[in-house]
Amino acid sequence: NAGVMQNPRHLVRRRGQEARLRCSPMKGHSHVYWYRQLPEEGLKFMVYLQKENIIDESGMPKERFSAEFPKEGPSILRIQQVVRGDSAAYFCASSPQGANEQFFGPGTRLTVL
Amino acid sequence: GQQLNQSPQSMFIQEGEDVSMNCTSSSIFNTWLWYKQDPGEGPVLLIALYKAGELTSNGRLTAQFGITRKDSFLNISASIPSDVGIYFCAGQLGTSYDKVIFGPGTSLSVIP
Repeated sequence: NAGVMQNPRHLVRRRGQEARLRCSPMKGHSHVYWYRQLPEEGLKFMVYLQKENIIDESGMPKERFSAEFPKEGPSILRIQQVVRGDSAAYFCASSPQGANEQFFGPGTRLTVL
Repeated sequence: GQQLNQSPQSMFIQEGEDVSMNCTSSSIFNTWLWYKQDPGEGPVLLIALYKAGELTSNGRLTAQFGITRKDSFLNISASIPSDVGIYFCAGQLGTSYDKVIFGPGTSLSVIP
């Protein structure tokens, strides 16, 4: 049973470009969460999604960031017009219906030049 | 917003020693979680706690959910080199699936 998959593992973008981060939850999991981790800090919650619905986006910056979890395919975190401050590790986690425990993917490390 | 505090911030111990770290919050949590993160990897869930006072073990790891629901501790017995990493406590406010609020982490180094 494969775990949470994220790709790419590393992403380099120049300022002003778009970054697309993908997350495939564990099989059977219908809840996806995105977190951001700056160097030497804990993870900060960004957004919680179920299939085709955003449940809680209280941690998402108001501009340039968006997330989706379509009926088919992976969840996507999109960052438009990236800036240097967006450089961080972005982690996706998934959980099954009704469960507290979240299982994390290996993360995508975004570097903005 | 809710914040978690972890102590100590970092630890250097000899192989074979026991380790204790804790986590406190100003908010009441319904679930406490302990994760370990290795460099370049995502956090891995070690122990999940669901009831105040609950004491749970996973091999050499033992964690407790504080009675006040505002704290938790993690103990590691007889440390080994592969215990090296960053240990995060995390809490969930909701009674069901909910976002996880992470502490800043305790960095553990084990000297062989």
